[in-house]
Amino acid sequence: RKEVEQDPGPFNVPEGATVAFNCTYSNSASQSFFWYRQDCRKEPKLLMSVYSSGNEDGRFTAQLNRASQYISLLIRDSKLSDSATYLCVVGGSGNTGKLIFGQGTTLQVKP
Amino acid sequence: EPEVTQTPSHQVTQMGQEVILRCVPISNHLYFYWYRQILGQKVEFLVSFYNNEISEKSEIFDDQFSVERPDGSNFTLKIRSTKLEDSAMYFCACSRQQETQYFGPGTRLLVL
Repeated sequence: RKEVEQDPGPFNVPEGATVAFNCTYSNSASQSFFWYRQDCRKEPKLLMSVYSSGNEDGRFTAQLNRASQYISLLIRDSKLSDSATYLCVVGGSGNTGKLIFGQGTTLQVKP
Repeated sequence: EPEVTQTPSHQVTQMGQEVILRCVPISNHLYFYWYRQILGQKVEFLVSFYNNEISEKSEIFDDQFSVERPDGSNFTLKIRSTKLEDSAMYFCACSRQQETQYFGPGTRLLVL
């Protein structure tokens, strides 16, 4: 089983659509969870951290289900500028800061 | 907003040559990392570094790789004898505590 698994997509949606991305992770001892965004040939940029209580930042909502080892990201009212690859990222179980990345889900928002 | 910088942005080298990739982390950050991303693949952890020591390294980070913080501001990744399969984008990252990591723009390494 992959350490962090995502549906690679691509997801092609019209502007204004709501889109959801899912991710599963294999290590139940993982303690930190993130969604990063990566534009083509650029560095990953933090979109949001993910907490068990769920968290929301504007149009973006992230959820964590530790029992199922499942992380989600919901984007509402999608914009053209949301087109990117969304990376599910899990912290390693050791205390070293290591991040484990999923392969990413590509989103293309069309006018 | 403070940012991580990396030089060079692109490097082309011959197989077997040594390369040094340089990073200037955000000034008050204490934890430093290198990751790589082969074209079309996922971002992979190479090494974490804290208090002038390697905290953790991956299987990729073999004896050909080394890291150094030579002068308190730069953080370097050296590949002693490059192989074709070392061609990738190399990202430096840093964090103040072991939390949010901020990534540099990357160095694209091409080994011929």
